[in-house]
Amino acid sequence: DGGITQSPKYLFRKEGQNVTLSCEQNLNHDAMYWYRQDPGQGLRLIYYSQIVNDFQKGDIAEGYSVSREKKESFPLTVTSAQKNPPAFYLCASSLGQGNTEAFFGQGTRLTVV
Amino acid sequence: SQKIEQNSEALNIQEGKTATLTCNYTNYSPAYLQWYRQDPGRGPVFLLLIRENEKEKRKERLKVTFDTTLKQSLFHITASQPADSATYLCALLNSGGYQKVTFGTGTKLQVIP
Repeated sequence: DGGITQSPKYLFRKEGQNVTLSCEQNLNHDAMYWYRQDPGQGLRLIYYSQIVNDFQKGDIAEGYSVSREKKESFPLTVTSAQKNPPAFYLCASSLGQGNTEAFFGQGTRLTVV
Repeated sequence: SQKIEQNSEALNIQEGKTATLTCNYTNYSPAYLQWYRQDPGRGPVFLLLIRENEKEKRKERLKVTFDTTLKQSLFHITASQPADSATYLCALLNSGGYQKVTFGTGTKLQVIP
């Protein structure tokens, strides 16, 4: 089945620890994105990548890092996770950056304790 | 400042009626506007895209209008069903310069049997 897979669905980490969220797609899409969704705030763009080995900061990149070593994979690292209400992280991909519909993964909910 | 506004209050309608959701934007010149559906704890799913030179788009029971003078898009679901209950997000791509899709906060629709 073609699609975009995020893992795990739920993640718990201690405050101050780094944590990496996985995102894999087999849609042969060039563009990939990471969003954070908080209640009442909509989706905010963290990082995006238009092509392998290239990525750009979004609106809320501070405290996050990404890599794009393979077309299929775009992992997100939360550096020094802070204790906040659980956040919902969504990965998406599209044929071209900003050009067509985005396909989203199921999301990862990160709770920092 | 740039804003995308969707009614944050939930919309409750009776089964069989037409649901109308609103997306207003400020200080954008959208090349296109998209509508997504999001179920609790899941990623958004693309529904429809309407371009700046289109006034209306239909897909089965869904209809989207786009008025660049009013800076507004309306999303209609005719003959609504309880299965249509979800949060609906609008998203737009600003034309020119930095191409990035920006999402609204979404409106929760509840269809009452």
